[in-house]
Amino acid sequence: QKEVEQNSGPLSVPEGAIASLNCTYSDRGSQSFFWYRQYSGKSPELIMFIYSNGDKEDGRFTAQLNKASQYVSLLIRDSQPSDSATYLCALDTGRRALTFGSGTRLQVQP
Amino acid sequence: DTAVSQTPKYLVTQMGNDKSIKCEQNLGHDTMYWYKQDSKKFLKIMFSYNNKELIINETVPNRFSPKSPDKAHLNLHINSLELGDSAVYFCASSQARQGGREKLFFGSGTQLSVL
Repeated sequence: QKEVEQNSGPLSVPEGAIASLNCTYSDRGSQSFFWYRQYSGKSPELIMFIYSNGDKEDGRFTAQLNKASQYVSLLIRDSQPSDSATYLCALDTGRRALTFGSGTRLQVQP
Repeated sequence: DTAVSQTPKYLVTQMGNDKSIKCEQNLGHDTMYWYKQDSKKFLKIMFSYNNKELIINETVPNRFSPKSPDKAHLNLHINSLELGDSAVYFCASSQARQGGREKLFFGSGTQLSVL
């Protein structure tokens, strides 16, 4: 079982819709969770982080964490074509380096 | 004033050659990393240095040798390059925080192509 699982996609949503990206993980000791966005040919950039169960909102982005069910999700409201990218889920299992999922490709259709 | 800079951006070389990738960060972070991203976008940790000390050394062929002359620099030297080494190599840095709440900041990546 992979440490971090993501559906590779592509996830296609129309412009203005809510995009929902999901991530499950296997290590119950994971404490910190991150979402990175990576445009084609570019480096990953941090867009959200969450440490506690529940929701965390930042602009159009909401991260949701459920440690009991071992999943973390990212909601993007009012999706824009510029949101089209690969979204990488990452977590810190205490090894002092983030473990990444293989990413979900999001396509926002104009 | 790039935060994490790595050079070169592209590296095309023949099998068997030796090459180096350099990385520098000006964020004042104490930890630096090398990640490898394969063609399926999977980012895998290779090495991590904290204040010039190697703290993570994943199962990487010993043809790969990191060197950290100071906490702002982390270089990666690769000997006897093989076709399977073709990938994008990302340098990253972070500042150690309690509870492991470290946010990684990535360099722009080095696209290595071994022919």
